[in-house]
Amino acid sequence: DIQMTQSPSTLSASVGDRVTITCRASQSIGRWLAWYQQKPGKAPKLLIYKASSLESGVPSRFSGSGSGTEFTLTISSLQPDDFATYYCQQCNTYWVTFGGGTKVEIK
Amino acid sequence: QVQLVESGGGVVQPGRSLRLSCAASGFTFSSYSMHWVRQAPGKGLEWVAVISYDGSNKFYADSVKGRFTISRDNSKNTLYLQMDSLRAEDTAVYYCARVTAQRAVADAFDIWGQGTVVTVSS
Repeated sequence: DIQMTQSPSTLSASVGDRVTITCRASQSIGRWLAWYQQKPGKAPKLLIYKASSLESGVPSRFSGSGSGTEFTLTISSLQPDDFATYYCQQCNTYWVTFGGGTKVEIK
Repeated sequence: QVQLVESGGGVVQPGRSLRLSCAASGFTFSSYSMHWVRQAPGKGLEWVAVISYDGSNKFYADSVKGRFTISRDNSKNTLYLQMDSLRAEDTAVYYCARVTAQRAVADAFDIWGQGTVVTVSS
């Protein structure tokens, strides 16, 4: 199985900060990587698919990059609504796997 | 609008069974592969199972293989998860999710249900 490792697990930041989250795959997954945002008590929300494609309706301050085994999610200027937990997901095969999550907290 | 609504969760004793349902609306259900994902209290997301758009392919996480069965009824626009021999560690919120692209082998999940809570406890 493909393992996904996210870092950091927790991140403290302020409104307006540039934030970067990293996700590493245990083997190459091409660009089959998605990013999700989850708030407490809610279902995950798709932000980025195919490593860098922005889902419709998602603010442009979110961006994704990478290929192969290393990927990043960047929030260019953190907004109050962005404090949440973020997950990466490899979808290279039917049997997907998620990263452990990164909780973005208010500094 | 495009929507997934789960039902069937509840409190069940260890060793017993439960069947979850996920009702789809607003899109051509029979054209999309569907997944179940769960989230234990305070934990991250764990993929559980997938079924292809036509039901011909099914895959499971090792943690549920042999105990859970995914199925679908395209005439009823409904996805199911039959959960047998339940264990305390199966306690979680269970989400159904749709892949982004029609007839895709693998893809991101663009539509999620609201989740249904399963608690396994004596």
